[in-house]
Amino acid sequence: AQTVTQSQPEMSVQEAETVTLSCTYDTSESNYYLFWYKQPPSRQMILVIRQEAYKQQNATENRFSVNFQKAAKSFSLKISDSQLGDTAMYFCAFMKHGLGGSEKLVFGKGTKLTVNP
Amino acid sequence: GAGVSQSPRYKVTKRGQDVALRCDPISGHVSLYWYRQALGQGPEFLTYFNYEAQQDKSGLPNDRFSAERPEGSISTLTIQRTEQRDSAMYRCASSLEAGPSYEQYFGPGTRLTVT
Repeated sequence: AQTVTQSQPEMSVQEAETVTLSCTYDTSESNYYLFWYKQPPSRQMILVIRQEAYKQQNATENRFSVNFQKAAKSFSLKISDSQLGDTAMYFCAFMKHGLGGSEKLVFGKGTKLTVNP
Repeated sequence: GAGVSQSPRYKVTKRGQDVALRCDPISGHVSLYWYRQALGQGPEFLTYFNYEAQQDKSGLPNDRFSAERPEGSISTLTIQRTEQRDSAMYRCASSLEAGPSYEQYFGPGTRLTVT
């Protein structure tokens, strides 16, 4: 079974600064995807960024980028130029991929990020 | 277009009652997923469907939980003889097709409280 660990329950950052959220995972699979989801106070679940394990290049989406270290099974999220609207819970998630793979997302427990003015 | 909708948004029920939670996915989405999120935790997979076929129900906690999607569109998650430990946010998600290449779009959730 796959597990996802987010070791930082809470973090804070000043507006306009950069913050990195950590995520590690455990799997014996070679073909999988990793995700970061954002859950703002409205309690929606919003996909922030996605990384395919077979791609060595780190994914980026505007101010959001990841540092994917496959050998270390690490998948951190970097938020640059933090904005007040980035205040949210951030969940790291894993999905196995391939023949016979279940399409379920396995989530970590989340990191609560607060951006301070 | 409309996103994933769920009803009711809030449900308070007494222990021992049955509840039915409804999910209306994005039109045309083949795959539909149910997750449960306890307070302060990440969502936990319950079950998923492709069209009307239930492909994986490994996350359903016990036989009090069941789900259906009879016409490949709207889905209902039913919890029989509710217990206090069933209290949580129940989220539905849909995707165009199954697989990680297709984004799962989440609904607003149904917050279930069992008293």
